Amino acid sequence: SQTIHQWPATLVQPVGSPLSLECTVEGTSNPNLYWYRQAAGRGLQLLFYSVGIGQISSEVPQNLSASRPQDRQFILSSKKLLLSDSGFYLCAWSVGTGGGEKLFFGSGTQLSVL
Amino acid sequence: GNSVTQMEGPVTLSEEAFLTINCTYTATGYPSLFWYVQYPGEGLQLLLKATKADDKGSNKGFEATYRKETTSFHLEKGSVQVSDSAVYFCALSEASNYQLIWGAGTKLIIKP
Repeated sequence: SQTIHQWPATLVQPVGSPLSLECTVEGTSNPNLYWYRQAAGRGLQLLFYSVGIGQISSEVPQNLSASRPQDRQFILSSKKLLLSDSGFYLCAWSVGTGGGEKLFFGSGTQLSVL
Repeated sequence: GNSVTQMEGPVTLSEEAFLTINCTYTATGYPSLFWYVQYPGEGLQLLLKATKADDKGSNKGFEATYRKETTSFHLEKGSVQVSDSAVYFCALSEASNYQLIWGAGTKLIIKP
C-alpha cells in the first residue's frame, strides 16, 4: 500500500533562518507531488506541484522554493524565513491528472517563525 | 474566479445532535465538489465527493448533495459522535486541473 511521510511534525525557527521540510512517498511510482500551506483561519493554498523529477511549478510567488531530487521525494525550502511563513504545511501526492478523490495527504508540519 | 465559502467555526454540538456545515461555491464551469476531514494530529483525508448536479456523496454517516441551483454542498450528519470532532474542509475542482480550491475549514467540537 502507498504511504506518505512528512517531517518534522512541528518546527520553531527564528526569522532569517533557513528551512527544509521533506516529504517522501512509498508504494507508488511517478506520483504528482504537492506542497500546500494552511494559514490560521484560512483555507489551503497550493504552493508547488511537481509531475516529475526536477519539474516544479509554482502557484504563488513567495519566499519558498521546492525541489524534487528523486521520484518520490519532495522538499520545501527557504533561505531566509519570514514571519509570514508561519503556518501548517501539507505534502500530498496523486496519480494521474489530479483531482480531489486521488489526493493523499501527509500529516503536516506546523511551522512557527518567531 | 472560483471560490469556496464555508461557515465559520468552531461549531460545538452535543453528542447525537444533528450537524450541518454550510458550503457554497462559485465556479465558471461544472466542478466536482468534495468534503475533506482532518482529525487531530492527522493529515487530510477525503470524506465524500460529488461530481455532478444532484449527486449525493455519503460516507461514515455524513452526506452532502450537489445543489447547482443554490451552488451549495452542505455537509450533514443525523447524529454526531465525539469521534467526529475534527476540522472539515469543503473544496472544488475543475475537470483535469491540478488545483483544488479550498474553503477555510470548519472546526467541529462534539461534547459528550
